[in-house]
Amino acid sequence: GPKVLQIPSHQIIDMGQMVTLNCDPVSNHLYFYWYKQILGQQMEFLVNFYNGKVMEKSKLFKDQFSVERPDGSYFTLKIQPTALEDSAVYFCASSLIWGEDEQYFGPGTRLTVL
Amino acid sequence: EQQVQQSPASLVLQEGENAELQCSFSIFTNQVQWFYQRPGGRLVSLLYNPSGTKQSGRLTSTTVIKERRSSLHISSSQITDSGTYLCAMERSGNYAQGLTFGLGTRVSVFP
Repeated sequence: GPKVLQIPSHQIIDMGQMVTLNCDPVSNHLYFYWYKQILGQQMEFLVNFYNGKVMEKSKLFKDQFSVERPDGSYFTLKIQPTALEDSAVYFCASSLIWGEDEQYFGPGTRLTVL
Repeated sequence: EQQVQQSPASLVLQEGENAELQCSFSIFTNQVQWFYQRPGGRLVSLLYNPSGTKQSGRLTSTTVIKERRSSLHISSSQITDSGTYLCAMERSGNYAQGLTFGLGTRVSVFP
């Protein structure tokens, strides 16, 4: 089936540094999402993105977070500066249409902030 | 408040047994998706089932939207079915929103 790719699979950085997580969504999809899962805890929605704009964000999407997809390339999640509580697995997802469509998930990027 | 409730929280099966996992929602939804999460964390989409009954191999999902519930039936369980099963829903709205996940049902299948 359609595949979402995420790069890197693991990232270790020092607190206060900037990190960019990359997502290569399904090629013809139009809606993009980021989710966060702290080890052993519930998967939680962060943000969704369509037509170059953030459509909805949760309270977990702090001011230090930003998303973009310049010129149809990777859909990115940038955290600047990082904090210890940002350590988690971040999953990217995409879907073709709104409201009535399956979301396809990537394998996740495990972020460790030291 | 947990908008997506899953039951049971955990389930132990002997290989070959069937299982029924339940999911209920506190608000109306028009989109339900079932996932399997491997012990290492990788998420696998099992079934997208906004309404009615859908089957994929040994898995059958039934969603009754007006009753705000969905179920996942696993037939003839195998050891490789062990892992966490997550139910997720998307709130009814006028643009694609994020999925809200339940806490999951942890399934352990033994020989």
